[in-house]
Amino acid sequence: ELKVEQNPLFLSMQEGKNYTIYCNYSTTSDRLYWYRQDPGKSLESLFVLLSNGAVKQEGRLMASLDTKARLSTLHITAAVHDLSATYFCAVFMDSNYQLIWGAGTKLIIKP
Amino acid sequence: NAGVTQTPKFQVLKTGQSMTLQCAQDMNHEYMSWYRQDPGMGLRLIHYSVGAGITDQGEVPNGYNVSRSTTEDFPLRLLSAAPSQTSVYFCASSSSGTGIYEQYFGPGTRLTVT
Repeated sequence: ELKVEQNPLFLSMQEGKNYTIYCNYSTTSDRLYWYRQDPGKSLESLFVLLSNGAVKQEGRLMASLDTKARLSTLHITAAVHDLSATYFCAVFMDSNYQLIWGAGTKLIIKP
Repeated sequence: NAGVTQTPKFQVLKTGQSMTLQCAQDMNHEYMSWYRQDPGMGLRLIHYSVGAGITDQGEVPNGYNVSRSTTEDFPLRLLSAAPSQTSVYFCASSSSGTGIYEQYFGPGTRLTVT
């Protein structure tokens, strides 16, 4: 059974600091997704990582994938308040073309 | 394109009532999924479909039915609502066209069962 674990589940940080969210998964997969959810809203796709060593960057967010370690990271550089949200990682299951989701990391960035 | 639409946005049911949550997409995606989201538990897959006429159970299917008579629509039926079904429900769709299978989400339905 594929399991996806995120840590930390909750993170409170100051503006201007750097931090990393980790996403570990238990079986082989070559597709990993990061989504953002604002309170009371739906999920918005941030990054799709499709191969070992993939790195994607958008503004202050950078995601990477190590399929051998079964690990993805979402790095936040010089955090700003607008990045406060819950971030989810999800892993693709090619047995049924569905995603298995982590529990989410609630990120609060204080001005 | 409207993307993925869901109705209603909010619903309150009494225990034992039935209802249908509607989901539609206009992107010609072959895959559609229903999730429920509960605090601290991420998204849990209820049912999914890999094409018109084909559905299958996810992680938490009990108490829910689905059908997929067209590519566009994927309704979720609650047979006899229970307080444990109080949750936020999301519908999502994706395509194999680019090999990415990125899921696009509807706005969600917030359901309360009393």
